[in-house]
Amino acid sequence: QKEVEQNSGPLSVPEGAIASLNCTYSDRGSQSFFWYRQYSGKSPELIMSIYSNGDKEDGRFTAQLNKASQYVSLLIRDSQPSDSATYLCAVTPLKTSYDKVIFGPGTSLSVIP
Amino acid sequence: SAVISQKPSRDICQRGTSLTIQCQVDSQVTMMFWYRQQPGQSLTLIATANQGSEATYESGFVIDKFPISRPNLTFSTLTVSNMSPEDSSIYLCSVAPPGRGSYEQYFGPGTRLTVT
Repeated sequence: QKEVEQNSGPLSVPEGAIASLNCTYSDRGSQSFFWYRQYSGKSPELIMSIYSNGDKEDGRFTAQLNKASQYVSLLIRDSQPSDSATYLCAVTPLKTSYDKVIFGPGTSLSVIP
Repeated sequence: SAVISQKPSRDICQRGTSLTIQCQVDSQVTMMFWYRQQPGQSLTLIATANQGSEATYESGFVIDKFPISRPNLTFSTLTVSNMSPEDSSIYLCSVAPPGRGSYEQYFGPGTRLTVT
């Protein structure tokens, strides 16, 4: 089992819809969870971090964490064509002794005008 | 977040040669990380560079192939040695600035390397 898994996509949603991106992780002791956005040809950009169970909202983005199910998701409301990118889920496993982050394979999102 | 620059932004190199990539941060950071992102793939951590100590390499990466320097708290270099076409990739440095949430990392613009 891979440490961090995501649906590779591509995920296509119409403009204005809600995009739902999902991520599961294998290390039950993981403590920190991140979502990065990566436009084609660019480096990853941190858009959300979440550390405790529940929802965390920032503008049109909501991160949801369920540690019991080892599941983290990102919801993008009112999706815009500019949201078209690859979204990387990242997790810090408990077993590491330093600030190591494990990245998932990414989900490609396409928002159709 | 920290402002991170990398040099060169891209390069085309011949097989068997070496390339040194520089990463500069506008503030002092303890942890700097080097990643590789092969075409269409996610990020793979090569090593973690701490100032004043040897870099910590991930499984599958060795110091002879990817020597790293960390002379101070704002600068690091990664060398890709004895390159082969399989080393063609984007190389990214990242930092975890103090004062941010635990483990939040911010990335430089990357170095696109092509080995012919």
